[in-house]
Amino acid sequence: NAGVTQTPKFRVLKTGQSMTLLCAQDMNHEYMYWYRQDPGMGLRLIHYSVGEGTTAKGEVPDGYNVSRLKKQNFLLGLESAAPSQTSVYFCASSPLDRGWNTEAFFGQGTRLTVV
Amino acid sequence: DQQVKQNSPSLSVQEGRISILNCDYTNSMFDYFLWYKKYPAEGPTFLISISSIKDKNEDGRFTVFLNKSAKHLSLHIVPSQPGDSAVYFCAASAGGTSYGKLTFGQGTILTVHP
Repeated sequence: NAGVTQTPKFRVLKTGQSMTLLCAQDMNHEYMYWYRQDPGMGLRLIHYSVGEGTTAKGEVPDGYNVSRLKKQNFLLGLESAAPSQTSVYFCASSPLDRGWNTEAFFGQGTRLTVV
Repeated sequence: DQQVKQNSPSLSVQEGRISILNCDYTNSMFDYFLWYKKYPAEGPTFLISISSIKDKNEDGRFTVFLNKSAKHLSLHIVPSQPGDSAVYFCAASAGGTSYGKLTFGQGTILTVHP
């Protein structure tokens, strides 16, 4: 019963390096999200996807790109990492809304430090 | 522009007493509200939710109250237990075409002392 799995759990990058965070869910959920958590700011939405092959910008999309080639996977890319992207990143998924909101299920997080 | 606010960064209570966590919102389009609990080094886990058509929802020791006119909701934990010590996030969703997107508050650190 894996739920939402994020890879890697920890990463240290140098400024200007690139990396991809992988999120996988095994619940057959339609919707997937990437959030970042910073001290005193709660969680903020970076990008989201409402289905395979579709992505959209969230509240803080600058500096990030995403792709959803398969329904179960949602990738978050940093093309040129900056210290301001030091954060804890959470992936989440939720089922298709059936006329009533449902909760999102979160992964365990990826702690990224950009030096 | 913080649309969901948790104005108390921390709360400390004694085991067995009531814990009350508060949350305010400004966006009138929000119609579904959730509380998440987060332990260190883990992802947030869903705790309880409430729709805007209700003013109260209970689940065991946890009750959420919604006051739409005041744009305020609260989470009551009775009785509080040491295992409840965690960060609690309030979140809101606008329904419709929001596709489950959540707007979170800053979080409140709850410490329950034995």
